[in-house]
Amino acid sequence: QQPVQSPQAVILREGEDAVINCSSSKALYSVHWYRQKHGEAPVFLMILLKGGEQKGHEKISASFNEKKQQSSLYLTASQLSYSGTYFCGTDPNAGGTSYGKLTFGQGTILTVHP
Amino acid sequence: DVKVTQSSRYLVKRTGEKVFLECVQDMDHENMFWYRQDPGLGLRLIYFSYDVKMKEKGDIPEGYSVSREKKERFSLILESASTNQTSMYLCASSLLDRAIYGYTFGSGTRLTVV
Repeated sequence: QQPVQSPQAVILREGEDAVINCSSSKALYSVHWYRQKHGEAPVFLMILLKGGEQKGHEKISASFNEKKQQSSLYLTASQLSYSGTYFCGTDPNAGGTSYGKLTFGQGTILTVHP
Repeated sequence: DVKVTQSSRYLVKRTGEKVFLECVQDMDHENMFWYRQDPGLGLRLIYFSYDVKMKEKGDIPEGYSVSREKKERFSLILESASTNQTSMYLCASSLLDRAIYGYTFGSGTRLTVV
């Protein structure tokens, strides 16, 4: 079952902040975040691991609430380059190995205007 | 940088044709994946492979098969193409179990079946 992302779309002006949420019905080992610009391949942003800390670099960070099976991506002081579609990918906490198989959300379209 | 190369950017095929989509990665990754991307549905896993000649079904394997004869190459085969297989196909690879370093995606193949 795919994780659910919210909101489906966000429109911002440069310098504004945004939060994108990812919610799963399954217990999770990890959550990945990717950004895809129009016509390009998705690019890996970060991974949040079960038992790990909030991660981030520069103005993009993320948190992972294992009990609620939710992750949030925080974009602060947004730039034009942040525009794109953001996907979360989840790895369930099933026993054994998963081979890194991810189930992706439906995506959140982020548009940043000057 | 790891590169994942998909052989075709755009393909147009006729209904009933056998279609081969090729994917090659150059960084000795164990795991390789085929996803299809459709608007509003995100990325859905078709098949994945965790070793040469090893493959497992993903969430939507019907109408597809795969081949992995060499570690660097993972092929997706549409046995008899149908119009509902018109989509963007993305190949990805990852190092180690649980993909803790994230996926590297190819640029995608946009397949149109007429």
